[in-house]
Amino acid sequence: GQQLNQSPQSMFIQEGEDVSMNCTSSSIFNTWLWYKQEPGEGPVLLIALYKAGELTSNGRLTAQFGITRKDSFLNISASIPSDVGIYFCAGPFHLQGAQKLVFGQGTRLTINP
Amino acid sequence: EAGVVQSPRYKIIEKKQPVAFWCNPISGHNTLYWYRQNLGQGPELLIRYENEEAVDDSQLPKDRFSAERLKGVDSTLKIQPAELGDSAVYLCASSLEWTGTPYGYTFGSGTRLTVV
Repeated sequence: GQQLNQSPQSMFIQEGEDVSMNCTSSSIFNTWLWYKQEPGEGPVLLIALYKAGELTSNGRLTAQFGITRKDSFLNISASIPSDVGIYFCAGPFHLQGAQKLVFGQGTRLTINP
Repeated sequence: EAGVVQSPRYKIIEKKQPVAFWCNPISGHNTLYWYRQNLGQGPELLIRYENEEAVDDSQLPKDRFSAERLKGVDSTLKIQPAELGDSAVYLCASSLEWTGTPYGYTFGSGTRLTVV
């Protein structure tokens, strides 16, 4: 089953606009990660969050670890064409007898210049 | 420093044929992962190696999938025979160690498999 649910599934915005996407789960996570995947490449880590309530920035990107530990959001300010890609949230989850990194289904970002 | 190297980048095969993917992790990374990413989905773990030992293969379809990591460095993932539903991107990743908190994961560019 899907442990992490991302919304929206896709976004179409104009260059310069701000972007907000989120990730929710019915389970508690102790770590939230945000990755970006560009076409033909593997995911690249953008931001890691380790404490409930934590707010972390990486340039124009800001992510927050929800107080309930069941959600996280990612904001991108003043979007530029190179922000295009698929953004995934991820976190460690105990599944089938072992801890493993599970991913959401992604938010696809498209930017009109 | 070279990243995680995967080959081939693309593979098209007919169903029921065998296929193999190769991964060379970052030098010194003891932990190696194979993920499968279906179209429109996030990656899903197939198998995790600590050095040459497969420590988590609970999500590997063992009837047709196999993997090995001889000498604890390079790894191969094999499918035999391939089915139409195996069409996906197969991603390899590596990290220094698995401590229960994912940190320092580096993904390769993946192999896009199309089964026709």
